[in-house]
Amino acid sequence: NAGVTQTPKFQVLKTGQSMTLQCAQDMNHEYMSWYRQDPGMGLRLIHYSVGAGITDQGEVPNGYNVSRSTTEDFPLRLLSAAPSQTSVYFCASSYRGPLLGEQFFGPGTRLTVL
Amino acid sequence: KNEVEQSPQNLTAQEGEFITINCSYSVGISALHWLQQHPGGGIVSLFMLSSGKKKHGRLIATINIQEKHSSLHITASHPRDSAVYICAASGMNSGGSNYKLTFGKGTLLTVNP
Repeated sequence: NAGVTQTPKFQVLKTGQSMTLQCAQDMNHEYMSWYRQDPGMGLRLIHYSVGAGITDQGEVPNGYNVSRSTTEDFPLRLLSAAPSQTSVYFCASSYRGPLLGEQFFGPGTRLTVL
Repeated sequence: KNEVEQSPQNLTAQEGEFITINCSYSVGISALHWLQQHPGGGIVSLFMLSSGKKKHGRLIATINIQEKHSSLHITASHPRDSAVYICAASGMNSGGSNYKLTFGKGTLLTVNP
């Protein structure tokens, strides 16, 4: 199993550009989530999904969109990048969610918005 | 506001020492996770617990539900234990969801040889 994969590993954008961060898992997990990690802030939940076709907002959803058309994939879209979105982004998955199981994290995407 | 607080923020130890990292939270929770993040990267889940104590190798995690407190202990610490340790709570009462994790800011542990 590859576990949770994320692409790209690094990305530089200009303000106003859009892009999609990819996340995929091959463990047949129902729950997937996106976090951002900023210095001094800890990890913060952006969006999450409890299954294909079901998504919900986390703590910091503004400026980001998600969709979940398959169990395996959970892409995160930045609609119009802003410098405040410079961060490290982690995708995670688990069988049924953080109450019921261990979370598996991807390797992260380091995003810089100029 | 639902909060998860960790202490200390930074911890330096000599190889072989017994390490304790603390995590406290402001309201009742359903489960508490301990995670490890090595410099430059990836995040690994160490424990998930909702009561009592769990042990894996040299790592021990405990939780006291009444006192809203959890500890992560490392016995016989080694330089390879140097990492950031993060606690996270799910199902925080006061509007929290079982599907959302609230994270502490992490404890940076450095173990010197």
